[in-house]
Amino acid sequence: ETGVTQSPTHLIKTRGQQVTLRCSSQSGHNTVSWYQQALGQGPQFIFQYYREEENGRGNFPPRFSGLQFPNYSSELNVNALELDDSALYLCASSLEGAVGAQYFGPGTRLLVL
Amino acid sequence: SQKIEQNSEALNIQEGKTATLTCNYTNYSPAYLQWYRQDPGRGPVFLLLIRENEKEKRKERLKVTFDTTLKQSLFHITASQPADSATYLCALDIRGTNAGKSTFGDGTTLTVKP
Repeated sequence: ETGVTQSPTHLIKTRGQQVTLRCSSQSGHNTVSWYQQALGQGPQFIFQYYREEENGRGNFPPRFSGLQFPNYSSELNVNALELDDSALYLCASSLEGAVGAQYFGPGTRLLVL
Repeated sequence: SQKIEQNSEALNIQEGKTATLTCNYTNYSPAYLQWYRQDPGRGPVFLLLIRENEKEKRKERLKVTFDTTLKQSLFHITASQPADSATYLCALDIRGTNAGKSTFGDGTTLTVKP
């Protein structure tokens, strides 16, 4: 069984730039969720993708967008980066319709200067 | 607004003792509650899930209780070990939603001293 993987592990960008983060879901999981975790805080739900469409969104502006591909992998795109976007971005996979655990990747640490 | 609070940012206990972590919520009717462990710089790792109609769940040295009247969950680690040192997160999911849209608390950092 392959776990959730994310790339890159670390990234440094400057304010105003755009960034793309990538996630491969756990084998057999068809749903991907993205979370933002600021230092010292819990993860905050950004959005979820299922069947290549957004399936729920948290309180994040439209400059946060995503994609899901037929193989269930996913991308998170952030435009017009702001300093407050500096955080650990976590991807989690789960099985649609299932009540239960989601499985997290190791995260991508983004620093915006 | 919905709010989840986990007790004290840090909890220090002696090896062998039982650690008890608290998760309180307001303005929320969760269908189930989950507990995760997170080590520094790593993603959260799922530990246990308890549904709204369950009072208690156990897994090895871990025990979770869920009191929907008090709007509280307790997470216990018995016979704690230094390897249990980590941040523990609780997460709620509301009725009608599938896995993956959780609301998390800010976590409690547990340190178990030898």
